[in-house]
Amino acid sequence: ELKVEQNPLFLSMQEGKNYTIYCNYSTTSDRLYWYRQDPGKSLESLFVLLSNGAVKQEGRLMASLDTKARLSTLHITAAVHDLSATYFCAVDNNNDMRFGAGTRLTVKP
Amino acid sequence: NAGVTQTPKFQVLKTGQSMTLQCAQDMNHEYMSWYRQDPGMGLRLIHYSVGAGITDQGEVPNGYNVSRSTTEDFPLRLLSAAPSQTSVYFCASSYSIPQTGKSNYGYTFGSGTRLTVV
Repeated sequence: ELKVEQNPLFLSMQEGKNYTIYCNYSTTSDRLYWYRQDPGKSLESLFVLLSNGAVKQEGRLMASLDTKARLSTLHITAAVHDLSATYFCAVDNNNDMRFGAGTRLTVKP
Repeated sequence: NAGVTQTPKFQVLKTGQSMTLQCAQDMNHEYMSWYRQDPGMGLRLIHYSVGAGITDQGEVPNGYNVSRSTTEDFPLRLLSAAPSQTSVYFCASSYSIPQTGKSNYGYTFGSGTRLTVV
């Protein structure tokens, strides 16, 4: 059974600092997704990574995928308060996506 | 485009009652699914559909039924509500490779239904 583990689960950062969120998964998969969820809101798609070595960037966020290591990273550069949210990775599992537990990011001034 | 529309946004049920959560999308997506979100557990798949007339079970299907008579609608029925079904429910849809849930675009989620069973 596919298991998806994120770490850390909670992350408190200072504005301007860099940090990385990790997403490990237990079986082979050719697709990995990152989502953002603001408190009390729905999920918003951030990135879709479709192949080994894929890298995508949007603003201060950059996601990468290593299918051999079964690892994806979400790197945050020079964090700002607006990035405070919960970030989920999700891995393609045949006909559904299997989600990690989420990383709750708080960016402090 | 309205995207994915879920109703109701909030609901309180008594144990043993039944109800239907509605989900509709206007993007002509073949793939639709229902997830529940519980604190610290991410999202767990309840049921999904790869097209009209086709449904299948996900990770946590017990106590729930679905049907997909049209491309647009994918209602979720709680047969006999239990306190363990207290959760936030999200409907999602996507363009996908036919007959699969594999998407090159990610899923579009509805705004959620917060359900409390007392």
